[in-house]
Amino acid sequence: EAGVTQFPSHSVIEKGQTVTLRCDPISGHDNLYWYRRVMGKEIKFLLHFVKESKQDESGMPNNRFLAERTGGTYSTLKVQPAELEDSGVYFCASSQTGYYYGYTFGSGTRLTVV
Amino acid sequence: LAKTTQPISMDSYEGQEVNITCSHNNIATNDYITWYQQFPSQGPRFIIQGYKTKVTNEVASLFIPADRKSSTLSLPRVSLSDTAVYYCLVAFNQAGTALIFGKGTTLSVSS
Repeated sequence: EAGVTQFPSHSVIEKGQTVTLRCDPISGHDNLYWYRRVMGKEIKFLLHFVKESKQDESGMPNNRFLAERTGGTYSTLKVQPAELEDSGVYFCASSQTGYYYGYTFGSGTRLTVV
Repeated sequence: LAKTTQPISMDSYEGQEVNITCSHNNIATNDYITWYQQFPSQGPRFIIQGYKTKVTNEVASLFIPADRKSSTLSLPRVSLSDTAVYYCLVAFNQAGTALIFGKGTTLSVSS
C-alpha cells in the first residue's frame, strides 16, 4: 500500500508570504496528524483530524496556521503570513481508528522562511 | 503524558548488539511503550511496541521489567544502515493520542 505522501518536500519562502503544505494519508485511515520540528527542538504535535473534523488542535502555535481536511481525505496546512520561526520540518502521519501499533509518518516538508 | 529519558547518543560497530535503555518513571497503567526510528530526511518509523515483559519482531526486541519504569530496545547485529535516531515514547495506544517526542538517541554504527 502507498504510504503517507507529503509535498512539497522542500519549500523556501520569504517572510510574510503564504505557504500551503499538503498531506495525503494512507487510504482508509480516518486519523490524520500534523507534527513539526523546528530547528534544534523536538518533534511537536500540532493537530489531529478524524475524517474532516478537528479533534485536537492544542498544538497549533497561533492563528497564522490553518489546517483543513476537506472530504476527510487529504489535508493542507497553510501558514499565512509566514515568519522566520516557522522554519522547520512539518510531518504528517495517519492511522486507523481504534487501538494502533504506531502511526505511519510521511517524509516531511522542510520549510525555510527567509 | 509520561516523560522519557534516554541517552543522547551511542556508538557501535557493525555486527554488535545494541541496547538502548529508556526511563519512564511516571508511566500510567494504560500507557504502552513505543519505539520509533528516524533516518535523516525521513519521518519517524514505528519499530516496536509493548506493554510488559518481552516483545520481539523481525527488527528488534523490547524488554520491559515488571515495574514498567524503564524499557530496553535491543537491536541484534547492527549494520551501517541502522545509524539513525531512536525515540522512546510512552502513551496510550489508541488513535488520537498525541505523541510526545523527546530528543531521542542518536545511534552511530561504524565499520
